Amino acid sequence: EAGVAQSPRYKIIEKRQSVAFWCNPISGHATLYWYQQILGQGPKLLIQFQNNGVVDDSQLPKDRFSAERLKGVDSTLKIQPAKLEDSAVYLCASSLEPSGNTIYFGEGSWLTVV
Amino acid sequence: AQSVTQLDSQVPVFEEAPVELRCNYSSSVSVYLFWYVQYPNQGLQLLLKYLSGSTLVKGINGFEAEFNKSQTSFHLRKPSVHISDTAEYFCAVSDQQAGGTSYGKLTFGQGTILTVHP
Repeated sequence: EAGVAQSPRYKIIEKRQSVAFWCNPISGHATLYWYQQILGQGPKLLIQFQNNGVVDDSQLPKDRFSAERLKGVDSTLKIQPAKLEDSAVYLCASSLEPSGNTIYFGEGSWLTVV
Repeated sequence: AQSVTQLDSQVPVFEEAPVELRCNYSSSVSVYLFWYVQYPNQGLQLLLKYLSGSTLVKGINGFEAEFNKSQTSFHLRKPSVHISDTAEYFCAVSDQQAGGTSYGKLTFGQGTILTVHP
């Protein structure tokens, strides 16, 4: 079974530029998550989708971050304009259903903002 | 609101020694509990989870954890570690309550770096 796919794996951009990350969840998984992991910290949820609807985006900085999940499958996370403090690993994850089910993580997209 | 505290940021240990990584949580509702492992430059991999039933949970790679509701703890243990266990370990909780604001969402601790020395 293919895992959660993410791209690009690594990205370096200058502050105020924009960047987009793509995620393809495990086939059949209705729930998709984007987490931000800053160096030395645990991952923090940015946004949770159930199919193509947003369940929780309370910690998404909406002035610069946006995410969509068209057709309830793939998802993209965009940052515009980027700030230095956005340097982090962006982890996409998916599960069959919310709560209690195993959440499977991708390998992450590493962002460095200079 | 939920929170997770991992009491040790770094744990050095010699190969074949036992290890315990400590995790405490706080929540106003019933929770599910998880331990994930992260190897360098990789994503998170589930070690084990507690949903219900026996409070002693066995996971992959010889790890186990015990849920203690009265102490709100979920400590991870392994009786004999290997060099290959060197990694960062994360404790996490999610809300059991369907429709709750944190339903399905994992709240993570800060992580514990386990370093196994030969």
